[in-house]
Amino acid sequence: DAKTTQPPSMDCAEGRAANLPCNHSTISGNEYVYWYRQIHSQGPQYIIHGLKNNETNEMASLIITEDRKSSTLILPHATLRDTAVYYCIVRDNQGGKLIFGQGTELSVKP
Amino acid sequence: DAGVIQSPRHEVTEMGQEVTLRCKPISGHNSLFWYRQTMMRGLELLIYFNNNVPIDDSGMPEDRFSAKMPNASFSTLKIQPSEPRDSAVYFCASSFSERVEQYFGPGTRLTVT
Repeated sequence: DAKTTQPPSMDCAEGRAANLPCNHSTISGNEYVYWYRQIHSQGPQYIIHGLKNNETNEMASLIITEDRKSSTLILPHATLRDTAVYYCIVRDNQGGKLIFGQGTELSVKP
Repeated sequence: DAGVIQSPRHEVTEMGQEVTLRCKPISGHNSLFWYRQTMMRGLELLIYFNNNVPIDDSGMPEDRFSAKMPNASFSTLKIQPSEPRDSAVYFCASSFSERVEQYFGPGTRLTVT
């Protein structure tokens, strides 16, 4: 079972920041937070991951709360091509399988 | 760089036929994963390999499904005999190790009639 809770859907205006929340209140100390997205009819795409500290790469920023019970994925300037289902996944440091929940369907609108 | 390559991209077959899905992981990656996606069950792992050895096959539905990885650059997922409930999109993913991010292929859309 997925260990995360995400809103089923969100809208965002093109050019604005998209902030996607994720709750993972049962996360343990050795578990990472991963974000993937799936654009319609494509395979899932890795975005970013983190353990404790905030992380940033060319795609997005990941903000993890101090107690690590929740996180937010930030797409700083959303475009129409960012319309996708976004999955927040908690995974321990042993790796292995990714357990996908239902994700958040983000719609970026003109 | 070439990503994960899957073939065929689409497969339509009749119930009872054998189906073979193929995957070429990213060069240098040591872990390979097979996932299945359906509307009812979402994305779920079927099996994964590390250094060509199957590590976790607990997601393989039943004996009709089998997977092999004869070398570091090729894997197959076989369904024999196929059934209509096997209709789904099958994704292959690879990673440098089982502990890091996975990169997914474009998927094979299987329809069993």
